[in-house]
Amino acid sequence: AQSVTQPDIHITVSEGASLELRCNYSYGATPYLFWYVQSPGQGLQLLLKYFSGDTLVQGIKGFEAEFKRSQSSFNLRKPSVHWSDAAEYFCAVAPDSWGKLQFGAGTQVVVTP
Amino acid sequence: DSGVTQTPKHLITATGQRVTLRCSPRSGDLSVYWYQQSLDQGLQFLIHYYNGEERAKGNILERFSAQQFPDLHSELNLSSLELGDSALYFCASSSPGGGGEQFFGPGTRLTVL
Repeated sequence: AQSVTQPDIHITVSEGASLELRCNYSYGATPYLFWYVQSPGQGLQLLLKYFSGDTLVQGIKGFEAEFKRSQSSFNLRKPSVHWSDAAEYFCAVAPDSWGKLQFGAGTQVVVTP
Repeated sequence: DSGVTQTPKHLITATGQRVTLRCSPRSGDLSVYWYQQSLDQGLQFLIHYYNGEERAKGNILERFSAQQFPDLHSELNLSSLELGDSALYFCASSSPGGGGEQFFGPGTRLTVL
């Protein structure tokens, strides 16, 4: 069955430290891959996406993600977090450019001073 | 601001009642997707409309229905409401050739008492 796994439910990171959020997927072929962020009481904002080409993709707010086909992973990184990065982050996959998004369970990020 | 609008922002109603949630996609987008976000189920795809036609159905209950109108706005109708229907309902829109990214509205928070 197709699945998206975010192994970390909750991560606490100090302001200025680096952040890495993990995402693994199980799909028949390489799907379209996305990272979204949801701040409290807000909708979901797209951070970045991947479907082909360079496996290291740059997104908004200083985030980047690396696609690793051999590991079926699409991990999100930020070199130095800011207090405003505290939010819930969702990895999502779609079979093509038209399909529904299948979301992981999300990772809650807390940023400490 | 994603350009996707949803009304109302909050809705409180009683069990057994019927409600209608409204979504206006970004200008030029032909696809509208509906998702439900709840604590126990996470983010789940409900249904996808493209230019007025239903394209895909997900975990949508028979008590729920949707449609997309000629002006491309969409409505999600929820009837015979149960306590378990309390959730955040998001709509998202995408454009043809947009690379699969979906832009989310701010959501409607439904509380069933």
